[in-house]
Amino acid sequence: GDSVTQMEGPVTLSEEACLTINCTYTATGYPSLFWYVQYPGEGLQLLLKATKADDKGSNKGFEATYRKETTSFHLEKGSVQVSDSAVYFCALESGSARQLTFGSGTQLTVLP
Amino acid sequence: NAGVTQTPKFRILKIGQSMTLQCTQDMNHNYMYWYRQDPGMGLKLIYYSVGAGITDKGEVPNGYNVSRSTTEDFPLRLELAAPSQTSVYFCASSKTGGFSYEQYFGPGTRLTVT
Repeated sequence: GDSVTQMEGPVTLSEEACLTINCTYTATGYPSLFWYVQYPGEGLQLLLKATKADDKGSNKGFEATYRKETTSFHLEKGSVQVSDSAVYFCALESGSARQLTFGSGTQLTVLP
Repeated sequence: NAGVTQTPKFRILKIGQSMTLQCTQDMNHNYMYWYRQDPGMGLKLIYYSVGAGITDKGEVPNGYNVSRSTTEDFPLRLELAAPSQTSVYFCASSKTGGFSYEQYFGPGTRLTVT
């Protein structure tokens, strides 16, 4: 079945450092790919998405490119802020009801 | 616009008790989902629904039941609670038509079974 493998955390960075969180997937066909973010005590929010190969999703300074050849969708940000501290989930969409399959999540802590 | 609301926020159950987790969305979304999130893990799909009167099992349906009598509501029923059902439960909804619409998540219900 479909699966998502995500870089394990936790990740601790200083403010203004560069961030990369790796995500690879296994799926039939070419699913849409997502990054969701979960702030403490809250539900998940969509951060960005890409629906086909070579698409780049971007939002709030975060970017991820859909790489079909490496089945990857790595999340990047050039300069993190303390407010970026959260858990980040990579996910793929599949099935007739567009169910999401999630990675295990990566806890990011950004220190001032 | 409330989005997706869930009640209760927290609950402690004894083994063998039953309860219903409520989920309501006001966005007129046809698709609704229930996920559970165990500590340090990603979310796993329990049940989903593509419209009123239609439900189907996800990856981890054992020990749960759902119903969908209206577009807005998608309650999750736990019968005979077990410690393995200690988790955070999230309800989500999304639009239909087209593809790859965002799923909107509720704030979650933290359930402890002791």
